[in-house]
Amino acid sequence: GEDVEQSLFLSVREGDSSVINCTYTDSSSTYLYWYKQEPGAGLQLLTYIFSNMDMKQDQRLTVLLNKKDKHLSLRIADTQTGDSAIYFCAEVSGGYQKVTFGTGTKLQVIP
Amino acid sequence: DSGVTQTPKHLITATGQRVTLRCSPRSGDLSVYWYQQSLDQGLQFLIQYYNGEERAKGNILERFSAQQFPDLHSELNLSSLELGDSALYFCASSVLASGNNEQFFGPGTRLTVL
Repeated sequence: GEDVEQSLFLSVREGDSSVINCTYTDSSSTYLYWYKQEPGAGLQLLTYIFSNMDMKQDQRLTVLLNKKDKHLSLRIADTQTGDSAIYFCAEVSGGYQKVTFGTGTKLQVIP
Repeated sequence: DSGVTQTPKHLITATGQRVTLRCSPRSGDLSVYWYQQSLDQGLQFLIQYYNGEERAKGNILERFSAQQFPDLHSELNLSSLELGDSALYFCASSVLASGNNEQFFGPGTRLTVL
């Protein structure tokens, strides 16, 4: 079965790095995504990683994937107050793109 | 602005009623997805349509149904509403039906069932 778990809350100081973690259970996942949801808004895709990759860097964002442990992380360097939001990881499995979202991690950035 | 529009923005109704939520995908996107976001269940995938046909089904109740019309807009029908159906309902669209395929989310419809 598929179950994607995240810690509910993370608080960091402005300028520090944030690391948001995610664990999943479906070993057939093909893609893993990170989405950002700002208050009162829909989800916005931040980045994704193919399941055959270990790492992907995109400006301030670094995604690490450990397939053996089914662990995904998102590191935000130099965290800004504008990064305050809920972050969802999501796994895609199956040819019909069945998407399972994590529980979401609320990131609070303290000025 | 993702290019996906949803109406209405807010909807307040009573238990037992039926409502219809509407979604217009981004221009050129053939695939539409519906999600429900609630405090206790998180973000749940409900159903996907591609070019008018149902493509994938998630945790959608039998009281709920959806369709995608020839102009590619989609409607989600929720009937015999219960208090627990109160949630944010998101629509998303994408170009393709499968594969690595970014989904663009609409702003959501907030449904409150009293």
